[in-house]
Amino acid sequence: EVQVVESGGGLVKPGGSLRLSCAVSGFIFNSAWINWVRQAPGKGLEWVGRIKSRNDDGTTDYAAPVKGRFTISRDDSTGTVYLQMNALITEDTAVYYCTTEPAYDQNWFDPWGQGTPVTVSS
Amino acid sequence: DIQMTQSPSSLSASVGDRVTITCRASRNIARYLNWYQHKPGKAPNLLIYAASNLQSGVPSRFSGSGSGTDFTLTISSLRPEDFATYYCQQTYSVSMYTFGQGTKLEIK
Repeated sequence: EVQVVESGGGLVKPGGSLRLSCAVSGFIFNSAWINWVRQAPGKGLEWVGRIKSRNDDGTTDYAAPVKGRFTISRDDSTGTVYLQMNALITEDTAVYYCTTEPAYDQNWFDPWGQGTPVTVSS
Repeated sequence: DIQMTQSPSSLSASVGDRVTITCRASRNIARYLNWYQHKPGKAPNLLIYAASNLQSGVPSRFSGSGSGTDFTLTISSLRPEDFATYYCQQTYSVSMYTFGQGTKLEIK
């Protein structure tokens, strides 16, 4: 069974930084694309960004609101993906979900983690 | 960017009803369209992928159809556990995925 577990959320002041982790187990991590999705209070799901597998060039893409502030990286040796969030603003307050895209030609998100909450407030 | 518009934004229905949610893309996305169910405090759950493929373990009362710009999610006979928020998602634009704004399905 594939498991996705996020960690690292918490309270941070505006302008601060936070790093979220996503541990994935139970399947071929090396071929998977890993995505981050967030849900702000009272809002819908918003795609944050994605890192491709190393075999598919390992590049990243980001949504416009976070581009230049957030960075996704992966460690295939441990099955972990990171979301480094810098220059945080109050609008970044949300539950952050990690989710897998099984392969380059399987462009859907399954499974998802339970999410980790991030609050940006002074 | 490809915009995804769902309708309605909210919907009241009764157990046993047939329900249809629509999703429109701002341009042609072929069949790169997925549907998710999301309940408060839970992880979102994949229902339908590639427009019409039922994810393993998802009840057969859920179905999806469409291609190009217009898509539908149908629940043939609502059960109590189906009351949730539903999202469509396009993955045609690999560099920028987008979700619809969501449809909240409530008990009448």
